[in-house]
Amino acid sequence: TQLLEQSPQFLSIQEGENLTVYCNSSSVFSSLQWYRQEPGEGPVLLVTVVTGGEVKKLKRLTFQFGDARKDSSLHITAAQPGDTGLYLCAGAPKAAGNKLTFGGGTRVLVKP
Amino acid sequence: NAGVTQTPKFQVLKTGQSMTLQCAQDMNHNSMYWYRQDPGMGLRLIYYSASEGTTDKGEVPNGYNVSRLNKREFSLRLESAAPSQTSVYFCASSELRQGNNSPLHFGNGTRLTVT
Repeated sequence: TQLLEQSPQFLSIQEGENLTVYCNSSSVFSSLQWYRQEPGEGPVLLVTVVTGGEVKKLKRLTFQFGDARKDSSLHITAAQPGDTGLYLCAGAPKAAGNKLTFGGGTRVLVKP
Repeated sequence: NAGVTQTPKFQVLKTGQSMTLQCAQDMNHNSMYWYRQDPGMGLRLIYYSASEGTTDKGEVPNGYNVSRLNKREFSLRLESAAPSQTSVYFCASSELRQGNNSPLHFGNGTRLTVT
């Protein structure tokens, strides 16, 4: 069982639709990071959320950190083919000595 | 800036062979990391170096060794490769050590197949 559980594992949608990716844990995190990875490349940081209840927006992407700092979500509005990729959440739980742990990832495919 | 550079990009080994994966960063970062990525498993930490001169085990260190050669370079060695080590390996660096919200900067990976 992974410390960070992402759902769904795979999402296929049409261009223009909305989608939400979830990152859940039973542990408390001081912060959570979201990365996007494209084929043949390494992950690239999208955002870091630090405060419980925090909402951050990056163009059409909205990131939310749960009030209890145990979960996070990524919502994409009007998805475009360029949003296709593997989305990874990562956090450093206090219970694990602040070592960064990654979720299993959500593979998103946006079809034109 | 090149960022994080990994070599080689691809490698095929036979069981029992050894090899070293090279990683260099030009961002003057203090911390460096080696991860492996397997389908559905996300990224799992193999070893990390919080600062020059120190290395520590991560989640899956068995079968690997590392060397922090200097502040720029962090290598990963497989002494006797096994099929279970078939994976994509990523090197990463960060300005601060983990747990300080410091973002990780990744290389483009080494795809290793062990037959």
